[in-house]
Amino acid sequence: GAVVSQHPSRVICKSGTSVKIECRSLDFQATTMFWYRQFPKQSLMLMATSNEGSKATYEQGVEKDKFLINHASLTLSTLTVTSAHPEDSSFYICSATLDRFSTDTQYFGPGTRLTVL
Amino acid sequence: AQSVTQLDSQVPVFEEAPVELRCNYSSSVSVYLFWYVQYPNQGLQLLLKYLSGSTLVKGINGFEAEFNKSQTSFHLRKPSVHISDTAEYFCAVIVTGGGNKLTFGTGTQLKVEL
Repeated sequence: GAVVSQHPSRVICKSGTSVKIECRSLDFQATTMFWYRQFPKQSLMLMATSNEGSKATYEQGVEKDKFLINHASLTLSTLTVTSAHPEDSSFYICSATLDRFSTDTQYFGPGTRLTVL
Repeated sequence: AQSVTQLDSQVPVFEEAPVELRCNYSSSVSVYLFWYVQYPNQGLQLLLKYLSGSTLVKGINGFEAEFNKSQTSFHLRKPSVHISDTAEYFCAVIVTGGGNKLTFGTGTQLKVEL
């Protein structure tokens, strides 16, 4: 099956620094990638939708200047948390689809645990 | 806007017993329905999905779900669970015509005990 990886799996950073998380589709080309945030005991909340070669579409309430998303190739999307604060600590998950049709299965990465001190 | 409700945050069950995980949705338009499973320290994996056709959908690992439009439900069932089924289960929807954005429920932790 399709595999999506994320790197790093865990990261701890100091408040005010920036952190980059990578999401890669290993054995397929992903035209669309999604970034989610998951709080403990809560659901996944969609942050943004990223299409290769175009600007990401952010969900309401998500600061685009704080959460920078780049989808430079069909196999790589990055999420950069800029000027991180403790409230940004969370589990960040990406997913990827083969195309943009709504019935297409999303393949999820294993997630990245971000802790901001 | 659409929403997904999973009323049971935790479901304990003994091994080899049947289980049902409940999912209800709310939407003013038609939806596609999904169940995902998340094992510890792993990404979400698709169990099954309902797009159209037969309301009874069979998925991987012996799971099945039934779409009930009148009750706006999509409950997940397995006739006999195994210890390895212990995981977090998420119900999700995509609104037809709304691209492919998933809206998730809050998840149900299934704990299978000996």
